[in-house]
Amino acid sequence: QKEVEQNSGPLSVPEGAIASLNCTYSDRGSQSFFWYRQYSGKSPELIMFIYSNGDKEDGRFTAQLNKASQYVSLLIRDSQPSDSATYLCAVNEGGGGNKLTFGTGTQLKVEL
Amino acid sequence: ETGVTQTPRHLVMGMTNKKSLKCEQHLGHNAMYWYKQSAKKPLELMFVYSLEERVENNSVPSRFSPECPNSSHLFLHLHTLQPEDSALYLCASSPGGAGGLYNEQFFGPGTRLTVL
Repeated sequence: QKEVEQNSGPLSVPEGAIASLNCTYSDRGSQSFFWYRQYSGKSPELIMFIYSNGDKEDGRFTAQLNKASQYVSLLIRDSQPSDSATYLCAVNEGGGGNKLTFGTGTQLKVEL
Repeated sequence: ETGVTQTPRHLVMGMTNKKSLKCEQHLGHNAMYWYKQSAKKPLELMFVYSLEERVENNSVPSRFSPECPNSSHLFLHLHTLQPEDSALYLCASSPGGAGGLYNEQFFGPGTRLTVL
């Protein structure tokens, strides 16, 4: 059973701080990794994706990938109350196909 | 209309009813997906269609029947559902066809289904 693990939270950070969200995956053959944000009652919204080891930055968001350790993380700099949401990690298996395995998500609360 | 749309947004049905969920993508994508999202559980992939061909059926009960008449439309036909099937049903699409590892998936707003 291929698994994607996330701490369910809630993770509480003060406004302006850096929020760090982590995700581990079991399938060493996984090739691509995605972060989605889901507000309560809404559908998941793609934030960013990463394929190569290292960091990838997009505005206030940085995705970090370490395939050897099988973890991927998302950093949110200068956290805002509007960042309060559940963040879903999704992993695309290797071997062809476009099947994403999702974690249960981490709830982030940014407090004033 | 842009992106991925789903209708209806809310549906209440009895266990003996037959209903259909509709999804339409306006992004020119080649692959479409049905997911089920239940409380406290990860998104569960149900079906994948690539270039109108079903390429994934994730051990979904036969009371759920997908249909993909063309690359822009996807249906989920429902019949004799159970109360435990109550969930948010999400449709998604991605640019590439089968075999694409780097295809970002974009989600519709979902249909909140309640089975009485």
